[in-house]
Amino acid sequence: NAGVMQNPRHLVRRRGQEARLRCSPMKGHSHVYWYRQLPEEGLKFMVYLQKENIIDESGMPKERFSAEFPKEGPSILRIQQVVRGDSAAYFCASSPFFQRGYEQYFGPGTRLTVT
Amino acid sequence: DQQVKQNSPSLSVQEGRISILNCDYTNSMFDYFLWYKKYPAEGPTFLISISSIKDKNEDGRFTVFLNKSAKHLSLHIVPSQPGDSAVYFCAARGNTDKLIFGTGTRLQVFP
Repeated sequence: NAGVMQNPRHLVRRRGQEARLRCSPMKGHSHVYWYRQLPEEGLKFMVYLQKENIIDESGMPKERFSAEFPKEGPSILRIQQVVRGDSAAYFCASSPFFQRGYEQYFGPGTRLTVT
Repeated sequence: DQQVKQNSPSLSVQEGRISILNCDYTNSMFDYFLWYKKYPAEGPTFLISISSIKDKNEDGRFTVFLNKSAKHLSLHIVPSQPGDSAVYFCAARGNTDKLIFGTGTRLQVFP
């Protein structure tokens, strides 16, 4: 059973460009969570999605950030007009419905660098 | 507002001895706690968890203790091994499904 997949692993963008981060949950998992880790800090919750639904986006910045988890395909975290402060490691996690939220399995992360 | 705190940024332990990592929380509504281990350039790996209705959970070399009155939990690793060297994150689940993480403790196990 493959684990949570994230791509790309490393992403470099210039200020003002768009960043798209993709996450494929573990097989059979219908819940996806995105977290961000700034240097020397812990992971901060951003958004929780089920298929075609955003359940909790209380950790998402109000502007430039959006997330989706379509019926088919991976979950996408989209950052428009990136700024240097967006440089961080972005982790996706998934969990099965019956263990909703209790044990989240993390992907390897995408390291975004904004130049 | 840091609801989950790990006040020791680092810990150094000799191989074979016990490692004790501590975590404090402020929100009494948290009902489930987890410990994750993280190596550089990798995602966190789940280690062990505990429900708020219990005060201890054990899995091999890893034991988590929960003191609800003190809002404190700890992770014990015994015996410690060099491969345990990593950053350990404590996390709590509240009344939504998101996890709230501490800032991590870097454990180094030396021979």
